[in-house]
Amino acid sequence: GAVVSQHPSRVICKSGTSVKIECRSLDFQATTMFWYRQFPKQSLMLMATSNEGSKATYEQGVEKDKFLINHASLTLSTLTVTSAHPEDSSFYICSAYRGTGELFFGEGSRLTVL
Amino acid sequence: SQQGEEDPQALSIQEGENATMNCSYKTSINNLQWYRQNSGRGLVHLILIRSNEREKHSGRLRVTLDTSKKSSSLLITASRAADTASYFCATNPRTDYKLSFGAGTTVTVRA
Repeated sequence: GAVVSQHPSRVICKSGTSVKIECRSLDFQATTMFWYRQFPKQSLMLMATSNEGSKATYEQGVEKDKFLINHASLTLSTLTVTSAHPEDSSFYICSAYRGTGELFFGEGSRLTVL
Repeated sequence: SQQGEEDPQALSIQEGENATMNCSYKTSINNLQWYRQNSGRGLVHLILIRSNEREKHSGRLRVTLDTSKKSSSLLITASRAADTASYFCATNPRTDYKLSFGAGTTVTVRA
């Protein structure tokens, strides 16, 4: 199946710093990527839809200035958690849409804010 | 937002037994998909069933879809320890291609 690479897999940072997470589709072009957040033992909550060459679309309740999304190319989307705080600690997962109806997911990035 | 509701929340079975989990949803869909997630990992796509399909098979997996009841089931036959994971259903609404995930069923297969 298609491969989506997410980096870093784990990151620990101090409160107040910003963290960037990358999502790459390795063997296909993805005009649309999605960013999800998952708390322990819970389901995935969609944060935003990242469209190549245009602004991201954020779900209700997600602060766009807090979670900056950039989709600069057909194979790369980035999520930057700005001025991170402990409550931002979570598992962030990206997925890429290949146009066949299914999504291909990255391995996730576990963010811990101290 | 979550649309799917899954049951049971957790399932513990012996290796070799079958595991069945159910998913219900609320709005009209284009398709319904099942994903597996091993602890701390990303999601792996298992199977997609379109709204005009009633049953689909893939290896040891069997998925049914009843659009009149807005429900789906995933059956894993002859389970193995490696099937231990969380399983999520996800619906693709008719209006766009965003997926909404259910709460998931955690399956533990005992050796």
